[in-house]
Amino acid sequence: GAGVSQTPSNKVTEKGKYVELRCDPISGHTALYWYRQSLGQGPEFLIYFQGTGAADDSGLPNDRFFAVRPEGSVSTLKIQRTERGDSAVYLCASSSHGGGVYEQYFGPGTRLTVT
Amino acid sequence: GENVEQHPSTLSVQEGDSAVIKCTYSDSASNYFPWYKQELGKGPQLIIDIRSNVGEKKDQRIAVTLNKTAKHFSLHITETQPEDSAVYFCAVSNDYKLSFGAGTTVTVRA
Repeated sequence: GAGVSQTPSNKVTEKGKYVELRCDPISGHTALYWYRQSLGQGPEFLIYFQGTGAADDSGLPNDRFFAVRPEGSVSTLKIQRTERGDSAVYLCASSSHGGGVYEQYFGPGTRLTVT
Repeated sequence: GENVEQHPSTLSVQEGDSAVIKCTYSDSASNYFPWYKQELGKGPQLIIDIRSNVGEKKDQRIAVTLNKTAKHFSLHITETQPEDSAVYFCAVSNDYKLSFGAGTTVTVRA
């Protein structure tokens, strides 16, 4: 079946601009996660959704970052006033259940470059 | 957060030989240990995982062993093939949040 999809695959933006990154989880998966992966590093947790609500946003680096999941399926990660340090690959993952330890399946990521 | 150390950072093996990657973690409450394979330009792919009530798990040419007392776990790939070349990440969790190691770049020489 279809896996996690993310759009766009690449995004180049100028410093100070606003960007939106989209994630479509595996159909029926209730839990959704965003991670950020810098070059040469492992992914780092940003935020976790169980259904429509953000159950844990402790990994968001600052208040320029925000994510939503209004209908409990697709999620959008929003970054305001982008900075060059925001350049990274943003990964989305989903799992069949939340609130515990379940297999997380990742999408291909969005490579964000801030110039 | 959880501190996960992964070694080695790079590993080159001859085709047909075995590859072993080791990870250590700090939080004794951790109970889930997945391994991911990431190819260039792609997202991490779950290849095997183990939970704390099991000491070893095998799936064809890959296996994972867990030593909870010493807080370390390892990935073993036998009979390596060129398509095994990739970056491998270990991860640790005791809830929904995965903490990853820094990755091991595995190169299989033909």
